[in-house]
Amino acid sequence: EDKVVQSPLSLVVHEGDTVTLNCSYEVTNFRSLLWYKQEKKAPTFLFMLTSSGIEKKSGRLSSILDKKELFSILNITATQTGDSAVYLCAARGQGAQKLVFGQGTRLTINP
Amino acid sequence: SQTIHQWPATLVQPVGSPLSLECTVEGTSNPNLYWYRQAAGRGLQLLFYSVGIGQISSEVPQNLSASRPQDRQFILSSKKLLLSDSGFYLCAWSQDVVGETQYFGPGTRLLVL
Repeated sequence: EDKVVQSPLSLVVHEGDTVTLNCSYEVTNFRSLLWYKQEKKAPTFLFMLTSSGIEKKSGRLSSILDKKELFSILNITATQTGDSAVYLCAARGQGAQKLVFGQGTRLTINP
Repeated sequence: SQTIHQWPATLVQPVGSPLSLECTVEGTSNPNLYWYRQAAGRGLQLLFYSVGIGQISSEVPQNLSASRPQDRQFILSSKKLLLSDSGFYLCAWSQDVVGETQYFGPGTRLLVL
């Protein structure tokens, strides 16, 4: 059965710290991995990764995929209180319609 | 640009009552549409998806059903709600058959009492 596991489940840091969120996956015929940020309501899309070793970057957020070791990381540098959210990782297999989601990492940034 | 709407935003229903949640997408044609449920503190569970009008695939057996009467409309229904149906229901769409990136609506928070 396809599965995605995120760690840690919860993380509390101080503003300005750098954090690394982890996502490991087991998906048949893997095609892509996606990261979402969920604040109070709907998840908003951050990144989609399909190739190993190519970093995707958006401001203070970056992500990279390792298809050999079957994991991805999401880095946030110089964290701000607005980064507080649940970060969701999801993976898709080739030809599959559905995304398999992890449980999410709840990130709390204290001022 | 594309937008996705869900209503109602919140709903409190008694056990055994019926349910109808609606999702509509604007600014695109022939989207793939998805219904997810998110229980408190947990990840998203795919309930149904649709690649076209009248085409529904169910991922999890349950007392819920879905329908797609129009190209950009997706409805989640139940004839009799259970306590375990409480949760946050999210509708999502993706662009094409490959369905790469899914974009989520604002969600409906359902509480069954």
